[in-house]
Amino acid sequence: DGGITQSPKYLFRKEGQNVTLSCEQNLNHDAMYWYRQDPGQGLRLIYYSQIVNDFQKGDIAEGYSVSREKKESFPLTVTSAQKNPTAFYLCASSTGLQATTQYFGPGTRLTVL
Amino acid sequence: AQKVTQAQTEISVVEKEDVTLDCVYETRDTTYYLFWYKQPPSGELVFLIRRNSFDEQNEISGRYSWNFQKSTSSFNFTITASQVVDSAVYFCALRLGGTGANSKLTFGKGITLSVRP
Repeated sequence: DGGITQSPKYLFRKEGQNVTLSCEQNLNHDAMYWYRQDPGQGLRLIYYSQIVNDFQKGDIAEGYSVSREKKESFPLTVTSAQKNPTAFYLCASSTGLQATTQYFGPGTRLTVL
Repeated sequence: AQKVTQAQTEISVVEKEDVTLDCVYETRDTTYYLFWYKQPPSGELVFLIRRNSFDEQNEISGRYSWNFQKSTSSFNFTITASQVVDSAVYFCALRLGGTGANSKLTFGKGITLSVRP
């Protein structure tokens, strides 16, 4: 089955540690996105990538980093510089940046202890 | 800058009631796209519908229908004969035309719908 997978589903991190969230898709989509969701809030864009080896900052990129070495993978690293990292993180993809519909993965819930 | 407002935060209905979820958007662009997503308790966002700014036709899909009105900048979602499985958080979102930074989705804060048996 084609789709987007994110792992792990739940992640706990000690303050001051970096942590990497995985996002993989087998939809052959060119564009991938990372969003952050806080309780009672909509989603906000962290980073997006149109093609391999290219990515751009979204609205709230500070304290995060990404890489896009393979078309199917777009991992997100939450660094210790992110002041309030506890949130629900959702990865999405679309056939390209021109494509208007984004499809989402199941999400990773990150808790900083 | 674009904005999406979902003024209702929580709605509770009894099964088989009809319910309408409101969405009001703001943008100065003439080309844009509107979306509704459903987020069940599992957390994944499920795509429901996309509407283009140049197509004001209403849409019906089974028990779901959408009313797009550019004159009032609204894109409302109605569930007819609601069911317990409709319980979820529903997000309205806006995307501008074009690529780059325009490809991002701007979300409302979501409406929590609870359908009681």
